[in-house]
Parts: sequence; structure tokens; C-alpha cells
Amino acid sequence: DAKTTQPTSMDCAEGRAANLPCNHSTISGNEYVYWYRQIHSQGPQYIIHGLKNNETNEMASLIITEDRKSSTLILPHATLRDTAVYYCIVRVQTSYDKVIFGPGTSLSVIP
Amino acid sequence: NAGVTQTPKFRILKIGQSMTLQCTQDMNHNYMYWYRQDPGMGLKLIYYSVGAGITDKGEVPNGYNVSRSTTEDFPLRLELAAPSQTSVYFCASSYRTGTVYEQYFGPGTRLTVT
Repeated sequence: DAKTTQPTSMDCAEGRAANLPCNHSTISGNEYVYWYRQIHSQGPQYIIHGLKNNETNEMASLIITEDRKSSTLILPHATLRDTAVYYCIVRVQTSYDKVIFGPGTSLSVIP
Repeated sequence: NAGVTQTPKFRILKIGQSMTLQCTQDMNHNYMYWYRQDPGMGLKLIYYSVGAGITDKGEVPNGYNVSRSTTEDFPLRLELAAPSQTSVYFCASSYRTGTVYEQYFGPGTRLTVT
């Protein structure tokens, strides 16, 4: 699976959009981009995933660049409960489902 | 559904002791996983299973063993506990629907080896 690079930490004001970048310059054509988050002391939680089109669900939006070498997770109106570590993962949809997590981005939402 | 449950929530072991971390899921998922997370670090995959009777090593399998006799249960065994195994252990399960491979995680087990 391709490697990802994320900033170590970010701050965001409450109520503003949080834009979390992820670089995956070695991504191959059959690899999807996944985002998970981990609120302190809890197990990670799936947020969203995509292949090449932008995606939106009730939690977030995912913007993938045309060359697919980077993506941005957008939390449109960040709340204090969005303070968490956010993991960007790229992986192939193989017959098994092994997910490797990197160090992620620690997002702090500030009142 | 209870989802993924893990027991115990906390445990303190002495060096050389053994224990089993329990993990159960009630979602009929084929895939199950064990991760460990050291303080301030990301998750490391220990073992995973693609179905009952089938297990395979992840990134950091040394010092651990697993079994998968049923779809629901995926226990993780520590045979000779070492301080390096002090960590938070997360169990997860997943399914495939179309292109979605969403993993569901348990609440974790905090293990301290002294």
C-alpha cells in the first residue's frame, strides 16, 4: 500500500472549516483514500473514503486532486468534539482487509 | 448490536505472566484484527483474520498469538509478558459492501507490564 504524509498537528477555531491535508504521491490506480479519526482513548472511527471523485457524507467531505497525489478532508463546521487524531490511509481493495495506520494529524479545535 | 466488545478494560501484569485479551463482535464480520497503540503513536497491526480458522501476522506479531475458532471471537494471547508490551490494544472487525471496507473498533484494553 502507498505511503501517506500528514502534518503532525493542526489547530482550528470552533465553527470554522477544518481542512486536513494528506500527501500520497505514490498512490496507484487501484488504491482508495480512507480517513479515520481517533478521539482520545477511544478506538478509531471510519469517516469517509474515495477513489478519484470528491465525496461527501454527514461527517465530512473528501477532496482528491485530479492526479490523486494528495487529498483534503474537510470538516465544514468544526466543533470541540472534533478534536482528535485524523488518519489518512491509502489501500487496495484486496481480498483481505489489512489496514496500516500512520501517525496521523492531531487536530485541536479551539473555542 | 453491541458491536465490538473487549475485555478486560484494564490490566496490570507482572513480567513473565500470561494473559488472554478477549474480543467479540456480533455483526457477523469475516475480518477481524488486533492493533496495539503505544503512547503518542499510531496503531500497529499485530495479527488479523479473514475468517474462522484463518489468521496471519501483521507488522508486530512477536510475543503474541491468536486463534479464530468462531466468526465472533478473536482472542489475543500474551505468553510471557514484557514491559515492551505495555500498550493499549484495540480489536476491530470489518466487512465488505461494494467498495466500502469500514472497520469497527472496540473500546480498547489498557495493559501495563511491570
